Amino acid sequence: DTAVSQTPKYLVTQMGNDKSIKCEQNLGHDTMYWYKQDSKKFLKIMFSYNNKELIINETVPNRFSPKSPDKAHLNLHINSLELGDSAVYFCASSPGSQPQHFGDGTRLSIL
Amino acid sequence: DAKTTQPTSMDCAEGRAANLPCNHSTISGNEYVYWYRQIHSQGPQYIIHGLKNNETNEMASLIITEDRKSSTLILPHATLRDTAVYYCIVSSGGSNYKLTFGKGTLLTVNP
Repeated sequence: DTAVSQTPKYLVTQMGNDKSIKCEQNLGHDTMYWYKQDSKKFLKIMFSYNNKELIINETVPNRFSPKSPDKAHLNLHINSLELGDSAVYFCASSPGSQPQHFGDGTRLSIL
Repeated sequence: DAKTTQPTSMDCAEGRAANLPCNHSTISGNEYVYWYRQIHSQGPQYIIHGLKNNETNEMASLIITEDRKSSTLILPHATLRDTAVYYCIVSSGGSNYKLTFGKGTLLTVNP
């Protein structure tokens, strides 16, 4: 029943590895987002997709590559993980510019 | 998007109304005021939004001043479960729609 679901919920990995986080929404929304919340709790947008097209890319390192296979999914692939990538990553979706619905986050820890 | 200013923290007694202020003196005519909250370890949750008129839903009321330079979120009967960080966000929507989160207000509801 979860509207916006992210997997995995926790991800612990070594520096230099490549990892992916998946996001799925069953709300029928056409816009999806990735946000990053760092250790200081600041929540910042990374990307947004509308109907599988990239709309917003907020100066994120190109090690981060979002992929949207369809309107209901927006995955985030991260190459060559660095210590500074440790954070909570939130996926969200919205019907156009209406209020966004967030997932419960993926807690990424880099060792 | 316009910047917002909120108090860092507030306290409220259980069962009483919680009034959370927000200043957005540089808001533009087409920008909405959104309120979200984040309960510890969860994703942000949409509460309410408005443009000019006061708004009310099952969660809260939003009072926007006539000049639109400030607003107040009202939780009419706060419960312990309302303890969270509350974010006031100004956004114009449209194709470049995104939420820019500030530091928010930590509301602590005390028994």
